[in-house]
Amino acid sequence: EVQLQQSGAELVKPGASVKLSCKTSGYTFSNYYMSWLKQMPGQNIEWIGNIYGGNGGTGYNQKFKGKATLTVDKSSSTAYMDLSSLTSEDSAVYFCAMGSDWFAYWGQGTLVTVSS
Amino acid sequence: DIQMTQSPASLSASLGETVTIECRASEDIYNGLAWYQQKPGKSPQLLIYNANSLHTGVPSRFSGSGSGTQYSLKINSLQSEDVASYFCQQYYDYPYTFGAGTKLELK
Repeated sequence: EVQLQQSGAELVKPGASVKLSCKTSGYTFSNYYMSWLKQMPGQNIEWIGNIYGGNGGTGYNQKFKGKATLTVDKSSSTAYMDLSSLTSEDSAVYFCAMGSDWFAYWGQGTLVTVSS
Repeated sequence: DIQMTQSPASLSASLGETVTIECRASEDIYNGLAWYQQKPGKSPQLLIYNANSLHTGVPSRFSGSGSGTQYSLKINSLQSEDVASYFCQQYYDYPYTFGAGTKLELK
């Protein structure tokens, strides 16, 4: 069974950074892409970017370049997303989702709240 | 970026009714379209991919159709568990983009 387990909720101060994780199981991590997505309360879903588990190759939505950095650790089948220089506009639920086109498997989401 | 315009924004229907949600792309996306269901506080769940292929385990009352720039999701014989928000997503071109969602409620 494919599972994506995301790290817990984060409360961070403006200007700080945060690193979210997505630990996977049930499939061959290095054979698939992992995407990260953002959903602000009651709002649309935005695709941040993706990373290939095999070689760490990345693709980013231009809107999130400089804001998000995607990495993987193949040894632990875990994907990571660093978010930097956080502002209130970064307060949202962030999802990891497996797949190169459509997303059949999603993590449960991580709530990031940016507040002083 | 490809813009996805989804309609209606909200929809109220009765049990057993058939409902249709539309999604229009700003350019031809060549059937590179998926539909998701999302319940409050949960992650989205894939329903349809490639515009009309039913994801494993999804009830057959869900169906997708369309081509070019116009796509639709149909739910036959609405059940109470179908109350949710529905999103379309295009994956024909980067960056992937989503419709704004349709909130489906029971009448």
